[in-house]
Amino acid sequence: GAVVSQHPSWVICKSGTSVKIECRSLDFQATTMFWYRQFPKQSLMLMATSNEGSKATYEQGVEKDKFLINHASLTLSTLTVTSAHPEDSSFYICSAGQVIGTPLGNEQFFGPGTRLTVL
Amino acid sequence: QKEVEQDPGPLSVPEGAIVSLNCTYSNSAFQYFMWYRQYSRKGPELLMYTYSSGNKEDGRFTAQVDKSSKYISLFIRDSQPSDSATYLCAMRLGGGYNKLIFGAGTRLAVHP
Repeated sequence: GAVVSQHPSWVICKSGTSVKIECRSLDFQATTMFWYRQFPKQSLMLMATSNEGSKATYEQGVEKDKFLINHASLTLSTLTVTSAHPEDSSFYICSAGQVIGTPLGNEQFFGPGTRLTVL
Repeated sequence: QKEVEQDPGPLSVPEGAIVSLNCTYSNSAFQYFMWYRQYSRKGPELLMYTYSSGNKEDGRFTAQVDKSSKYISLFIRDSQPSDSATYLCAMRLGGGYNKLIFGAGTRLAVHP
């Protein structure tokens, strides 16, 4: 199957700093990438959907100025948590996919996740 | 009411048991149904993918979709300790929509 990587796998930062998380599709071109947040023992909550070369679409309740998403190429999307606070501590997971109707278009391939701890 | 309901468990079974995991949903427009397995502190991995109603089997795993009842199931036969994980159901609309709606996930523990 298609491989998606995330970097870093875990990060600890001080309150008020910004953190950037990278999501890469290693062996396919991802026209669409998704960013999820998962709190302990809870399900994945979609934060935003980004299509290569265009602005991300944020889910209701997600602050776009706080969670900056860039999808500048077909293999890389980044999520920047700006002015992070302890309540932003969570497990952030990206997934990548292609346009519906293409061979990889019916699936989302998930990265291994990034654990963010804000002190 | 959540769009997708899934009992979070935990579910504890002995090795070799048949495991039944279920989800119900409210949106009759969902057409694609998936089951993901997620180990602790890892990303989800796709186990089963089903379009519309029916059954699909892959090794020890069987996925069932009953659209008339808005009910999907995942069966695991001959369960192994390595099957211990959280199982998430997910579904999406048809057409050009690829946004997934996830259930809460069921934590499964298979003990030797």
